[in-house]
Amino acid sequence: DAKTTQPPSMDCAEGRAANLPCNHSTISGNEYVYWYRQIHSQGPQYIIHGLKNNETNEMASLIITEDRKSSTLILPHATLRDTAVYYCIGADSGSARQLTFGSGTQLTVLP
Amino acid sequence: EPEVTQTPSHQVTQMGQEVILRCVPISNHLYFYWYRQILGQKVEFLVSFYNNEISEKSEIFDDQFSVERPDGSNFTLKIRSTKLEDSAMYFCASSEARSKGRYGNQPQHFGDGTRLSIL
Repeated sequence: DAKTTQPPSMDCAEGRAANLPCNHSTISGNEYVYWYRQIHSQGPQYIIHGLKNNETNEMASLIITEDRKSSTLILPHATLRDTAVYYCIGADSGSARQLTFGSGTQLTVLP
Repeated sequence: EPEVTQTPSHQVTQMGQEVILRCVPISNHLYFYWYRQILGQKVEFLVSFYNNEISEKSEIFDDQFSVERPDGSNFTLKIRSTKLEDSAMYFCASSEARSKGRYGNQPQHFGDGTRLSIL
């Protein structure tokens, strides 16, 4: 699985967009980029994933650079409930792939 | 929205005792997983399970651990002789079996975990 690098912490004002970067320069062609978050004391929550196209769902948008060496998770209008640790994970599309969690980015949404 | 449920939310056990952690995966999911998170540390993969057998396991998943799908709805993790260092949050996850075109492998969905405290 690709090694990913994320900043340890970020702040964002409530109501503004939160842009969380992730570097995955060693990602291979068949590895997807998955984003999860973990709100204190809860299990990891799936947010979004993609291969090379930008993706959007009801929670967030995922922007992947053309060379696939980095990506950005965008929470368009952050709320206090979005305060969590956000994990960027590279994993291939094989069945039953284990997810390798790093330290993630602690996002704090400020009122 | 369907979710993974885990019981109990908190389990306290004496060292050396056996413990069984229970999970009810999302009903149409066919892949099942266990992860653990020691306090203040990263989430670590333990094991994945499909078609009534282990698909992958980590170095952590040694002979004291076992998994089972005893019926059509439950998925369990058994720790045979608990040690102090087994104290952690244990998360169960499940995913659909099939890949969906360009969306690749289906994401894993996690429960809220069981906090295991070994005394």
